[in-house]
Amino acid sequence: DQQVKQNSPSLSVQEGRISILNCDYTNSMFDYFLWYKKYPAEGPTFLISISSIKDKNEDGRFTVFLNKSAKHLSLHIVPSQPGDSAVYFCAATRRSNTGKLIFGQGTTLQVKP
Amino acid sequence: GAGVSQSPRYKVAKRGQDVALRCDPISGHVSLFWYQQALGQGPEFLTYFQNEAQLDKSGLPSDRFFAERPEGSVSTLKIQRTQQEDSAVYLCASSLSRALATTNEKLFFGSGTQLSVL
Repeated sequence: DQQVKQNSPSLSVQEGRISILNCDYTNSMFDYFLWYKKYPAEGPTFLISISSIKDKNEDGRFTVFLNKSAKHLSLHIVPSQPGDSAVYFCAATRRSNTGKLIFGQGTTLQVKP
Repeated sequence: GAGVSQSPRYKVAKRGQDVALRCDPISGHVSLFWYQQALGQGPEFLTYFQNEAQLDKSGLPSDRFFAERPEGSVSTLKIQRTQQEDSAVYLCASSLSRALATTNEKLFFGSGTQLSVL
């Protein structure tokens, strides 16, 4: 049972345009959501997070939106740069728990120059 | 060290062989996690330590998998009698305090050990 789903395995955008990566979850107990970025042969690195008490969090070119009623979150990258090309993982957790993360399957983003 | 260090980087094992994977977390980090990442999938939780205490091992797939962190720093994930389905990247991650206790608490991942069972 996949509690966190990223239904788009890949996404290709032009440099300078917006990239939108989507993520859906099923467990209403999740209260903290994160996005990780992964380059080949490296471990995932933290990108941005959002608590369930918020609906938006912004950090530079990266913005995460949370729609709790739809159990949906998205990551917006504006403007996209070739260096953003990587695999992006959405993750969710209950912070009252051990904090273990439940990851989606990942979306491979390619930003073309 | 500057980051989470894992060794070996690559491990090839014959089916039935025992393997041991090592994780050196960031110095002073209290929490340590092990994840398993199959090809084309996201990381899946295996186990969690807070200092030397293993507080959650619900993700370990079978009793062939065993993890320890005896002194609250270095951790070892041991897989006995390896099977082909154990082939995956094993990721270790650490965080400064009780994982994600506060907003902006970050989990730092190592580069992983890629295990191939032939």
